[in-house]
Amino acid sequence: DAGVIQSPRHEVTEMGQEVTLRCKPISGHNSLFWYRQTMMRGLELLIYFNNNVPIDDSGMPEDRFSAKMPNASFSTLKIQPSEPRDSAVYFCASSPPGTGGEKLFFGSGTQLSVL
Amino acid sequence: DQQVKQNSPSLSVQEGRISILNCDYTNSMFDYFLWYKKYPAEGPTFLISISSIKDKNEDGRFTVFLNKSAKHLSLHIVPSQPGDSAVYFCAAPNSGYALNFGKGTSLLVTP
Repeated sequence: DAGVIQSPRHEVTEMGQEVTLRCKPISGHNSLFWYRQTMMRGLELLIYFNNNVPIDDSGMPEDRFSAKMPNASFSTLKIQPSEPRDSAVYFCASSPPGTGGEKLFFGSGTQLSVL
Repeated sequence: DQQVKQNSPSLSVQEGRISILNCDYTNSMFDYFLWYKKYPAEGPTFLISISSIKDKNEDGRFTVFLNKSAKHLSLHIVPSQPGDSAVYFCAAPNSGYALNFGKGTSLLVTP
């Protein structure tokens, strides 16, 4: 099992540029989550999908952030335009059907630096 | 308005001793609580959980205690080992299966 795969592992960009983060969940998992980790706020939920449908996007900080899940095996988180305060580690996680939080599997994260 | 709070950002313990990591919460409706462990450059991984109807759950060297009246839980690691050095997150489920995480406590176990 390859686990949750995120790309890129590191992204360095300049303020104002568009950033796209990618995630491939574990096959068979039907829930997908995007989290952001910062020193100030810890791990905060941005958005989660169930069966490819966004269920709760209340954690998305601004309209500059958008997320899509066009199919069960792929999701993107896009920031346009990016700002220095968006610098953080972004995690994607997935979970199998009918399970609770103990079955949340995280990817290794994307370290984003916006200069 | 964090519903799950870890007020100690770091903890240092000697190998072989007990590590105690604390977590407070505000929502008395949480059904269960979890601890996740995170190594550098990796995503968090599930460690141990406890149902709100229990006050203790043990798994090897790891034990979680729940005090509902105080809205407090703690993770005990006995004996602590250098490989336990990591960031530990306390978490509880929000609506559906989305988890609320605390800010984490960085544990350093020294030889």
